[in-house]
Amino acid sequence: KAGVTQTPRYLIKTRGQQVTLSCSPISGHRSVSWYQQTPGQGLQFLFEYFSETQRNKGNFPGRFSGRQFSNSRSEMNVSTLELGDSALYLCASTASGDYNEQFFGPGTRLTVL
Amino acid sequence: AQSVTQLDSQVPVFEEAPVELRCNYSSSVSVYLFWYVQYPNQGLQLLLKYLSGSTLVESINGFEAEFNKSQTSFHLRKPSVHISDTAEYFCAVTPEGGTSYGKLTFGQGTILTVHP
Repeated sequence: KAGVTQTPRYLIKTRGQQVTLSCSPISGHRSVSWYQQTPGQGLQFLFEYFSETQRNKGNFPGRFSGRQFSNSRSEMNVSTLELGDSALYLCASTASGDYNEQFFGPGTRLTVL
Repeated sequence: AQSVTQLDSQVPVFEEAPVELRCNYSSSVSVYLFWYVQYPNQGLQLLLKYLSGSTLVESINGFEAEFNKSQTSFHLRKPSVHISDTAEYFCAVTPEGGTSYGKLTFGQGTILTVHP
């Protein structure tokens, strides 16, 4: 099985712009979670989608949003970018089950100038 | 809510020496525990997990971790490290039963550097 894929791998934007990141989960996985990784804050949970519905959300401002499509692919969007949004954005997919064994993609490195 | 504390931000060690990476957690409910490893410019890879049963869990590449409920710890150990083990290691927890809906709570990470 192919692993979790994320596109693009690297992205450079300027303050005030918006960005969309994409995540394709492992085939058959219906849950997709997103995380932000920074040197200062570490790994922080953004949100999780299952069957096109957001089931959980972390403590991030409304500028961070996401969605999931019927094929389980997910996108996250960040509007009005700030310098502090520079980070590695990781998505993870999970098979159905009662525990959250998550399989991570390689991440998208976002740099905001 | 859960929290995870990794007690060492960096651990330098010589090749073939033993190593222990420490992880403590706090939770009002029972949890599942995980160790993930991250190599430079890559995502996270699951190293091992504790769900239930034997408190000692092992990975295929020689790491092991022991769940200690009374001390709320899940320390990672390896009796003899290799240069290739150089990476950042993350401890993570999630409540049992899948009620956290996709949320893993991570520690701050421990950078393991293996010197020749």
